[in-house]
Amino acid sequence: DTGVSQNPRHKITKRGQNVTFRCDPISEHNRLYWYRQTLGQGPEFLTYFQNEAQLEKSRLLSDRFSAERPKGSFSTLEIQRTEQGDSAMYLCASSPGTSDTDTQYFGPGTRLTVL
Amino acid sequence: GQNIDQPTEMTATEGAIVQINCTYQTSGFNGLFWYQQHAGEAPTFLSYNVLDGLEEKGRFSSFLSRSKGYSYLLLKELQMKDSASYLCAVKRLTGGGNKLTFGTGTQLKVEL
Repeated sequence: DTGVSQNPRHKITKRGQNVTFRCDPISEHNRLYWYRQTLGQGPEFLTYFQNEAQLEKSRLLSDRFSAERPKGSFSTLEIQRTEQGDSAMYLCASSPGTSDTDTQYFGPGTRLTVL
Repeated sequence: GQNIDQPTEMTATEGAIVQINCTYQTSGFNGLFWYQQHAGEAPTFLSYNVLDGLEEKGRFSSFLSRSKGYSYLLLKELQMKDSASYLCAVKRLTGGGNKLTFGTGTQLKVEL
């Protein structure tokens, strides 16, 4: 399968701990996006990469959040000193970046529970 | 700012037709997507509109009116497996990329 993959699928952590999620986009997709989704809501944009460059960050992304895409392929999202309000589904999406449509394809997500 | 509105819930009967509406207010509009999301799963792409008019893909059609800030998703010959959340998302050209802003989703329940 050549879709977007995310690991882990589920993460339970205690408040104050650091967590890191990984996203592997569709091969040769230049753009990679991170979103957060809470129950009953649509996904909310967090940040976006064009190859290895992080081009935009949402105001939702506090200083405790950091994302990288070091070689322009996979990406990691780290949350430091987790809080209960960080509990959500973290979705990664990728797009080719080569057409006007530029459809974003989503991975299965990582569900984070902060106790 | 941006505002995307869609109904929270809808119920329809198997075999019927349902229309899910979405209204939006945004700057830098660069297209509108519809995604389907089953509970606990990732959103999956259904359709994309950037010009006014109707796009048809099998049992699913999507319509856009840019002047009215309005779109709808039309589902025909409903099947039980169509029970899911349907997300309207507006694409804005910003920072060189295409950020999506989603509505809260419409939870569709298909009944026998």
